[in-house]
Formats: sequence, structure tokens, C-alpha cells
Amino acid sequence: AQSVTQLGSHVSVSEGALVLLRCNYSSSVPPYLFWYVQYPNQGLQLLLKYTSAATLVKGINGFEAEFKKSETSFHLTKPSAHMSDAAEYFCAVSGGNQGGKLIFGQGTELSVKP
Amino acid sequence: GAVVSQHPSRVICKSGTSVKIECRSLDFQATTMFWYRQFPKQSLMLMATSNEGSKATYEQGVEKDKFLINHASLTLSTLTVTSAHPEDSSFYICSAKAPRSTDTQYFGPGTRLTVL
Repeated sequence: AQSVTQLGSHVSVSEGALVLLRCNYSSSVPPYLFWYVQYPNQGLQLLLKYTSAATLVKGINGFEAEFKKSETSFHLTKPSAHMSDAAEYFCAVSGGNQGGKLIFGQGTELSVKP
Repeated sequence: GAVVSQHPSRVICKSGTSVKIECRSLDFQATTMFWYRQFPKQSLMLMATSNEGSKATYEQGVEKDKFLINHASLTLSTLTVTSAHPEDSSFYICSAKAPRSTDTQYFGPGTRLTVL
């Protein structure tokens, strides 16, 4: 079975500060890991994904995430927050004989203060 | 690339009526599409997996006779909420799995359903 835990349902940072959104996963098979962003009343947009290639993955809008197998983590970071980064962020895992299903975390709402 | 559209974006209907939501992959063929429901301030709840040319696979607790899914072509899946009631009001989001995509799903913009 697979699961995802996002630590912190709400994170608040100042504009220009480091963004760190935490994601830990559980998987009995080598996982694929994803970060998605959702703006209000919109669908989800893929930020980045890990699919067993490089452990440091760079995505859109300056975000990146590092896959750490020993820590079963896939934390999302951005060096300098922008007001437009305020949104809901979801971590997801898939892999194995799941038919392509994604297992989502609970989501983390990111607020950016001016 | 990898654009998924949904129509309508917003629908209001009376209790007892049926509503159809369309999900289209615009620039790729999707043998598998997914339907999710999202409540305010919550994560996505997978309702069903839709495979082209076969019956949908519903998640536990989802009424297949209430939420009819048809995946008639490689670019179109539809969700019909039958005999809608106020408790069916929600945000419905579809996604499409790109071929050979390592499980990457591309999401539509969502449909806000309000049942009066």
C-alpha cells in the first residue's frame, strides 16, 4: 500500500523567503512522486515529478524537490517566495500495480506575506 | 502540450435532474482518465478510473448508478450525475494519463456543480 503525509496544512512565508513544503511517503515499491499546485477554483497543475532518474528534480516556477529514499521524503523547495506562489500544494505518489492511480496527501496551503 | 479541458466549468441544476460533465484531452490520446471529487479545503477523492472502451472502475463507496462514466473515445470521458441532490454539490475534476507517462496525470480545470 502507498500513502503520503504532508506535514503542515498551512505554511506562511514572507515574500523573498525560502519556501519548504514537506512530504513523506510510504511505498512498498519504487515510487513515482509528484508535486501539483492548485489555485482557487482551478484544477491541478504539475510542478515536477520524480520517476527514478535524478534525485534532485527541477520544476516550473523555480520549484525543486529532492527524493531521499533513506528518509522517504520528497520535500518541495523554492529559494525565494513570490506573491503568486500563494496556492494549495499537493504531493502524490504512484507506482506498482495501481493502474496509474495517484495517492494524494492532504495538501498544504501556502500563504505569502508582503 | 498535455492540455485537458472540462465542460462546463460551472453548472447549477435543480434537485432530481441529471448533469453531464465532459473531460477532453486536447493534444494527446488518453487510454485512462480519472474522475475526482473535491470538497472545500480538502484533498482530491478519487471516484473512478475510466478506461477507453471498457467499464469504469469505481472506488469503494462511490455509487456507480449515480455517477455514470463513459469513456467512448481516446480523448473524451464523461461523468453524468444522475438524479442530483444537494449533497452532490461539489467540485469535480478529471485527469488524463498520458501514454508512456510514468503515471503522470494532467488535470482539467474542474467543474463546480451546485444542486438546488
